[in-house]
Amino acid sequence: GESVGLHLPTLSVQEGDNSIINCAYSNSASDYFIWYKQESGKGPQFIIDIRSNMDKRQGQRVTVLLNKTVKHLSLQIAATQPGDSAVYFCAEPLPYTGNQFYFGTGTSLTVIP
Amino acid sequence: DSGVTQTPKHLITATGQRVTLRCSPRSGDLSVYWYQQSLDQGLQFLIQYYNGEERAKGNILERFSAQQFPDLHSELNLSSLELGDSALYFCASSVSSGGVDTQYFGPGTRLTVL
Repeated sequence: GESVGLHLPTLSVQEGDNSIINCAYSNSASDYFIWYKQESGKGPQFIIDIRSNMDKRQGQRVTVLLNKTVKHLSLQIAATQPGDSAVYFCAEPLPYTGNQFYFGTGTSLTVIP
Repeated sequence: DSGVTQTPKHLITATGQRVTLRCSPRSGDLSVYWYQQSLDQGLQFLIQYYNGEERAKGNILERFSAQQFPDLHSELNLSSLELGDSALYFCASSVSSGGVDTQYFGPGTRLTVL
């Protein structure tokens, strides 16, 4: 039968490998961006944010890279673990709205043990 | 655990009915946001309240309404339910720190309309 739903980009990685999840944003005036992780059946969980005056920010096992020239964000996860399997969203504040966010469609990460 | 609570976790009802979803924000957070997440629409912003007052509206249907009470908990009311309203409904609350407004999400309410 035909499946109905968002066609998320998917990424499959071997446990222990590094993962890179990409996101294109639209508003060049956004002051910051946030990455969220959503496990199946759960709410989105904050991972890390990056301000627009930064090119890189590191957290625990995660690194965010921001390329303002091409309006591109990436989330790098080091030594990916099965618990990292989830959908990852980047969120950017909508212009002129204060703190309303646009959440992209997300990328589904599957970690193969 | 984000500190945001939502009840009920699951809700099954029939078309035409009305339901109320409840959210308690993290302690100290004044802003509450409601989102709808369905299979074909992704995460869609519905409405935001700040300290009891409506702050912003997104793609919220007229059949839906919300309010935030003096104790800062919020309720989302969905009426005249249709099959297409079946979705996950998330509440988030936010704290602003250093110019970054981070929203913390609750576990969601899964609404099934039969």
